[in-house]
Amino acid sequence: AQKITQTQPGMFVQEKEAVTLDCTYDTSDPSYGLFWYKQPSSGEMIFLIYQGSYDQQNATEGRYSLNFQKARKSANLVISASQLGDSAMYFCAMRGRGMDSSYKLIFGSGTRLLVRP
Amino acid sequence: DTGVSQNPRHKITKRGQNVTFRCDPISEHNRLYWYRQTLGQGPEFLTYFQNEAQLEKSRLLSDRFSAERPKGSFSTLEIQRTEQGDSAMYLCASSDPGGEVEQYFGPGTRLTVT
Repeated sequence: AQKITQTQPGMFVQEKEAVTLDCTYDTSDPSYGLFWYKQPSSGEMIFLIYQGSYDQQNATEGRYSLNFQKARKSANLVISASQLGDSAMYFCAMRGRGMDSSYKLIFGSGTRLLVRP
Repeated sequence: DTGVSQNPRHKITKRGQNVTFRCDPISEHNRLYWYRQTLGQGPEFLTYFQNEAQLEKSRLLSDRFSAERPKGSFSTLEIQRTEQGDSAMYLCASSDPGGEVEQYFGPGTRLTVT
């Protein structure tokens, strides 16, 4: 069974500094995808970044980068130059491999990030 | 591209009543997912459609829950005889036929059962 673990319930970061949000995963599938989503207080889930298990390079999207360490089964999100608008819940997720390749997402419990001015 | 929409955004109902939620995916997306999110937790998968076919259901989806996608476009999620434990945010997501990358989420329907 697939599982995502996020061990940091809450994090603080000073505005303009970088922050790393931890994510570890467990799967026996040789092929999988890892995702990070942001959920502001308004509730919508916003896709941030994706890493495929066979991708050689770590994914980057603007101020977001994913530190993918396959042997350690970790997929940490790094946010550089934090902004006040980055304050939100952040979820790590894995694409499962259900029947008929459903690609359902399996989420961790999330990390609440607060950016201090 | 207007994004995924969900209606209603909020629903308050009394225990024992039936409720129905609607999700309109991004128009060219043939895959549609329903998730449930309780307070302080990540979303949990409920069910998945490819076009009009419901291909997977979670064990979370008890027999009081039913989902349909009759024409392969919008989907409905019905909860019969609601219980207080059904109070949650119900999220809908869709993805394109390739399905390899991200799922796009709607704003969710927040259900409160009193």
